[in-house]
Amino acid sequence: GAVVSQHPSWVICKSGTSVKIECRSLDFQATTMFWYRQFPKQSLMLMATSNEGSKATYEQGVEKDKFLINHASLTLSTLTVTSAHPEDSSFYICSAREEGGPGPQHFGDGTRLSIL
Amino acid sequence: AQSVAQPEDQVNVAEGNPLTVKCTYSVSGNPYLFWYVQYPNRGLQFLLKYITGDNLVKGSYGFEAEFNKSQTSFHLKKPSALVSDSALYFCAVSAYTGGFKTIFGAGTRLFVKA
Repeated sequence: GAVVSQHPSWVICKSGTSVKIECRSLDFQATTMFWYRQFPKQSLMLMATSNEGSKATYEQGVEKDKFLINHASLTLSTLTVTSAHPEDSSFYICSAREEGGPGPQHFGDGTRLSIL
Repeated sequence: AQSVAQPEDQVNVAEGNPLTVKCTYSVSGNPYLFWYVQYPNRGLQFLLKYITGDNLVKGSYGFEAEFNKSQTSFHLKKPSALVSDSALYFCAVSAYTGGFKTIFGAGTRLFVKA
């Protein structure tokens, strides 16, 4: 089946540090990838939709300059949390869809980000 | 605008009993419906989908879901629950609005007691 690899799985760093999270589709090409944030005991909050070779589409209220997304190839998207602060601590999950249609999304295992 | 509701925060069921996790949706046009499961500190795993065709959809791990257009529902079911089914379940709906956008429900936590 389609596999999405997300790395790292856990990050602890100091306030002010920038953190990069990678999301790779291992056995399929993903023209579209999605970045979500999940708070404890809550649903997924879509942050942005990442399209290969073009700028990401951010959801309302998500700071573009804070959460930099790059989708440089059909198998890799990255999310960089710039100058992270404790309020950015969260569980970040990426997903990818194999095709442009309404197929299921395939999710990475998430990244637990803790900012001290 | 599309939306999806999971009216129960939590469902408790005894092992061996049938389980149902409810989901209703609202969408313009044809709905594309999905169920995902999330285990602690993990991403979501795809269980099953309804795109078109037979209203009863069978998926992974013995789960199934029934698409009911008149009630705009897509409830997740399993005839006999296992303790290992305990997890967080998300219903999701996609619709075409210039592209396919997926909306997730709030999630329902399933507890299966031995």
